[in-house]
Formats: sequence, C-alpha cells, structure tokens
Amino acid sequence: SAVISQKPSRDICQRGTSLTIQCQVDSQVTMMFWYRQQPGQSLTLIATANQGSEATYESGFVIDKFPISRPNLTFSTLTVSNMSPEDSSIYLCSVEGGSEQYFGPGTRLTVT
Amino acid sequence: AQSVAQPEDQVNVAEGNPLTVKCTYSVSGNPYLFWYVQYPNRGLQFLLKYITGDNLVKGSYGFEAEFNKSQTSFHLKKPSALVSDSALYFCVAGINKFYFGSGTKLNVKP
Repeated sequence: SAVISQKPSRDICQRGTSLTIQCQVDSQVTMMFWYRQQPGQSLTLIATANQGSEATYESGFVIDKFPISRPNLTFSTLTVSNMSPEDSSIYLCSVEGGSEQYFGPGTRLTVT
Repeated sequence: AQSVAQPEDQVNVAEGNPLTVKCTYSVSGNPYLFWYVQYPNRGLQFLLKYITGDNLVKGSYGFEAEFNKSQTSFHLKKPSALVSDSALYFCVAGINKFYFGSGTKLNVKP
C-alpha cells in the first residue's frame, strides 16, 4: 500500500495568482497522477508524471497552466497558474501500486 | 474513446434492502476494474477490484461486484444496505491510466 499526503489541504486564492500543491508518497513510485474534481463532478485526469521526464498532459490541460515537477520517486508538485474561479476544484494526487490506485486526501482550492 | 459509464446519477434504497449500482466500461484490452467510495469532505476510499479470476469479487464493508465480460459491466452490489452506505460511488477502469465514471450518489433511507 501507499500513504499519500498533500499540502495544503485547502486554500482560498485570488484570481490571477498561482498555487503550488505538494504531494508526498511514503514509498518510491514510478508514476504519479494528478486529478481534478470540480464541484459535483467526477475525477478528471490532468497529467501523468514520471520521474526524470516531462509530464504527459491529457486533452484540455496544458503545461503553461498546470506545470508539474517530479524531482524524485516520492514527491511531485502541481502548480495551478493564473487562476480563475473556474479552477475552483479539489486536486488529487494519486499513485499506482500493486494493481491498485491510491489517492491523496486532496487539496480543496477556491478561487475568488 | 475510452470511457466508463454509470447510467444512474442517484440510487435510492431503503435500509435492509439489496442495492445495485451499475457500471459499464469501454476501455481497450482487459482493464482492471475498481469501485471507490467518497464520503462528504473525505478522500476516495478503495472498495474492491477485479483483475482476473472469479467474476464475483468481494470487497470492503460487505460490498461485492459482478464482472461480466460479454456485457463489459462491473455492477456493485450489497445484499442489505445500511444508512451509513450513503455516499458517492465511482467505477474506475484501466491499466496504467485510469478512467472514472461520473459517479452515482447512493441514498439509503431508514
């Protein structure tokens, strides 16, 4: 199993600013995933982050808006840039392990 | 396109009655299949998974799911619902990359 922590757990930000979300895993993992869950919606995959290579973004998500870092096998960051109210969501970090996906507790972002 | 469908936005059952939450998938290959539950203001919790083997999978909290390859379905079931089962349930399918259904809100009334 994997235990995932995220910081911050929640934040309220002004439009036009940026927020960096941290994800820490208690074991080394090859692939880390970032998801977004908009209010009342399902989870949407933003990108897949492998250590040592650039993140792979899903359709509708771009690196300029959601830059991702993956400096080692236990850590990743997701930045939400130039925020607008439409970015208000829960952002979740996830890892794969033993044919199961583990999810962090999420970061609840509100943009005013 | 790869997708997971949960045709019911909401399922209402009385406590003690059996429940079914439906899921069908359109994902290439032989994807792994999962059910996750999300309680209000809490993270996603794993319920059960199917990779291979017996079509009936037993999971946490008395839940089980039935895999049907010909119908590409993976319905979640429980013989006797509890009020505490009320939550949002997600069906997930994939290998390496995972696709989420839209979620089904389960309401169990006393």
